[in-house]
Amino acid sequence: KAGVTQTPRYLIKTRGQQVTLSCSPISGHRSVSWYQQTPGQGLQFLFEYFSETQRNKGNFPGRFSGRQFSNSRSEMNVSTLELGDSALYLCASRVVSGGRITEAFFGQGTRLTVV
Amino acid sequence: AQTVTQSQPEMSVQEAETVTLSCTYDTSESDYYLFWYKQPPSRQMILVIRQEAYKQQNATENRFSVNFQKAAKSFSLKISDSQLGDAAMYFCAYRPDSNYQLIWGAGTKLIIKP
Repeated sequence: KAGVTQTPRYLIKTRGQQVTLSCSPISGHRSVSWYQQTPGQGLQFLFEYFSETQRNKGNFPGRFSGRQFSNSRSEMNVSTLELGDSALYLCASRVVSGGRITEAFFGQGTRLTVV
Repeated sequence: AQTVTQSQPEMSVQEAETVTLSCTYDTSESDYYLFWYKQPPSRQMILVIRQEAYKQQNATENRFSVNFQKAAKSFSLKISDSQLGDAAMYFCAYRPDSNYQLIWGAGTKLIIKP
């Protein structure tokens, strides 16, 4: 069974540009979450999507957005990039089964560097 | 607001020895889940062990076990017979019952000395 796939693995962008990151969840997983990991702020929740709907959003500015497609693949977009957006962006997918605890499987992340 | 605190930025242990990583959390909820994740240099976050708050019994997964003290809001991870492959960043995470958002601690870097 293929794991969570994030593309690209590495990205270098210039301040002011925008970027789109992609996440393909494990087959059958309909929930996708995104996290930002930086040395200063640690791991922070960005948003979660389920069945193409955003169910939860973290405390990030509107420049951070996302979406989920009918095949559960998800993209996140960051517009007007700032140096502080340099981070490892992690995607996680899970099976949703009522309130039962389900394990989140993570991808290897996309390392974004803003110069 | 829920918070997770890992007070040990770095820990080191001799191979084959036992090490305990600390985690405390703050929440007003009664139903929640706690996790330990491992992040090796490959950056992929790997679930080590999980604990449901309503379960009194401490979770165990092979060499990994937790000491869950609900009243004290403490959730420590014990690694027995440490192996070189255990070297990684370890993150404690909390998830409320009401949603799937993980709240993370700052992490503990575990060094295994051969």
